[in-house]
Amino acid sequence: DQQVKQNSPSLSVQEGRISILNCDYTNSMFDYFLWYKKYPAEGPTFLISISSIKDKNEDGRFTVFLNKSAKHLSLHIVPSQPGDSAVYFCAARGVKAAGNKLTFGGGTRVLVKP
Amino acid sequence: GAGVSQSPRYKVAKRGQDVALRCDPISGHVSLFWYQQALGQGPEFLTYFQNEAQLDKSGLPSDRFFAERPEGSVSTLKIQRTQQEDSAVYLCASSLVGSGGLDEQYFGPGTRLTVT
Repeated sequence: DQQVKQNSPSLSVQEGRISILNCDYTNSMFDYFLWYKKYPAEGPTFLISISSIKDKNEDGRFTVFLNKSAKHLSLHIVPSQPGDSAVYFCAARGVKAAGNKLTFGGGTRVLVKP
Repeated sequence: GAGVSQSPRYKVAKRGQDVALRCDPISGHVSLFWYQQALGQGPEFLTYFQNEAQLDKSGLPSDRFFAERPEGSVSTLKIQRTQQEDSAVYLCASSLVGSGGLDEQYFGPGTRLTVT
């Protein structure tokens, strides 16, 4: 069963507008969440994270929102730029569980049109 | 500074062959992870090392998969008697702290394995 889901496989947005990426999880043991960005033929690179004790974390153009009761998080990119075109992965980690392995969603491909 | 490096970047193996994939983590990083990413999917956890100790191998799909990190730095993922379903990108990641710490994992570019 997929514990982390990204239900939108792709997203197209105009340059300068907001991109909103969504992620749902089922495991209540997850308490740390991360977003990674991936370009073709490269490994994922860390973008932003949020602990379950917060409901919002902001870093420049990127903001992550966490709704624990709904087991839902979202990534907002504003304004979107052509260089943001990539695949974005949501990931979750259960800090209290053994190890720090990440459970990833299936990814959302974002295309920012100039 | 140098990031996580992996070699080879691409590997084609005939079904039944053994392969070995190498990962050089960031110097000084305690934790090392291997993930498998099938086409169109997110990475899936395979195994985790803290220094030279393999603390979690719950994600290894079969006993054909074996990983080691004998000196706590470089790691090798070995797949014996490869099968077509092993075709995927194998990602290695490292992080500075050990289990329980909160820091992000830094990923290498991956090795794309194609089994024919």
